[in-house]
This record gives sequence, structure tokens and C-alpha cells, in this order.
Amino acid sequence: AQSVTQLDSHVSVSEGTPVLLRCNYSSSYSPSLFWYVQHPNKGLQLLLKYTSAATLVKGINGFEAEFKKSETSFHLTKPSAHMSDAAEYFCVVRAKGNTPLVFGKGTRLSVIA
Amino acid sequence: NAGVTQTPKFQVLKTGQSMTLQCAQDMNHEYMSWYRQDPGMGLRLIHYSVGAGITDQGEVPNGYNVSRSTTEDFPLRLLSAAPSQTSVYFCASQTGVLYEQYFGPGTRLTVT
Repeated sequence: AQSVTQLDSHVSVSEGTPVLLRCNYSSSYSPSLFWYVQHPNKGLQLLLKYTSAATLVKGINGFEAEFKKSETSFHLTKPSAHMSDAAEYFCVVRAKGNTPLVFGKGTRLSVIA
Repeated sequence: NAGVTQTPKFQVLKTGQSMTLQCAQDMNHEYMSWYRQDPGMGLRLIHYSVGAGITDQGEVPNGYNVSRSTTEDFPLRLLSAAPSQTSVYFCASQTGVLYEQYFGPGTRLTVT
């Protein structure tokens, strides 16, 4: 079975400081991994995805994530937070085949001016 | 290209009523899914479809019914609404098993 754990339910950073949102996964197969962002009262938007190519994945809006198989982690980072980054972030995993996506419970990112 | 559309945006039901949440996509995607989002729970899969005429249950299917008669449409039916079904419902589609999902804007449902 596959699962994903987002280690922090809420992260608060100051504008201009780095962002780190942590995600660990469990999968019997080599997984596909995604990060989605949801701004208040909006749908979900794909930030980036890992599908067994380069382990360092760059996404939109300056975000990136590194796939570390030995640590079963896929943490999301950004060098400098912006006020517009305040949102809910979801780490998502899919194992091989036709298995559906499995979502983490989400991390709410607050950015303080 | 409208992407994934959902109607209605908001709905209030009384306990025991039935209704259908509509979802349509114009990207010719084979895969479509329905999720519900509750505070602190992330998104949980209700039902999904890998193509017209094929549906399967997700993590929380009880109380919901789906059908997929066309590639474009994937309606979700609430058979007899209960307060526990108060949630935000998202429909999503994707072009293939390895690809990302595209989400609709959501339907906020309240059952009183």
C-alpha cells in the first residue's frame, strides 16, 4: 500500500526567508510524487512532479523538491518566501499502474510580513 | 479550452434529499476522479474512472454513486444526503496514469 505523511500541519515563515515543507512517502513501487498548492477558496494547482527522471525537480513560482529514495522523502523548498505563497500545500503519491493518487493531509503555509 | 468544470459552485441540501454534482472536461482525458476535502483530512478519493463505462470505488465511496457514459462527463450522485456529507467536492481529470491531475474549482455542499 502507498501512503504519504506531511510532517507539519502548519508552517509559518517571514517574508524573504526560506520555506521547507516536509513530506515522507511509503510505496511498494518506484512512485510518482507531486506537490499541489491550494489558495483559499480555490481549486488545486500542480506545483511540480517527480516521475523517475531527475531527482531534483523544479516547479512553478520558484519552488523545487528533491526525491531522496534512501530517506523516502520529497520535501518542498523555496529560497525566499513571498506573501503570495500563503496557501495549503499537498504532497501526493502514486505507485505504479492504475492506482489512484493518495494525498497527504496538507500543510498550511503562513507568510508574515 | 475550459479545462475541468463543476456545477453547482454551492449547494445546500436537507437530510435525505438527493442530488447530482456535475463534472465535465474538454481535454479528452481518460481518467477522472471525485474527491472530498474536509478540514485536516486532505483530499479523499470517492470514486474514479479509467475510461467511459468503467468506474471503481475509492477510499470513501459509501453514499455516493457514479457513472461514466461519455469521456467528457463524470457526475457524482448523492443518493440520500446526510450531514456527514457536508464537504467541498473536487472533480479531477488526467490524460494517463503517470500524469498529473487537473482539478475543477470545487462544489461546496452543506447538508442540514
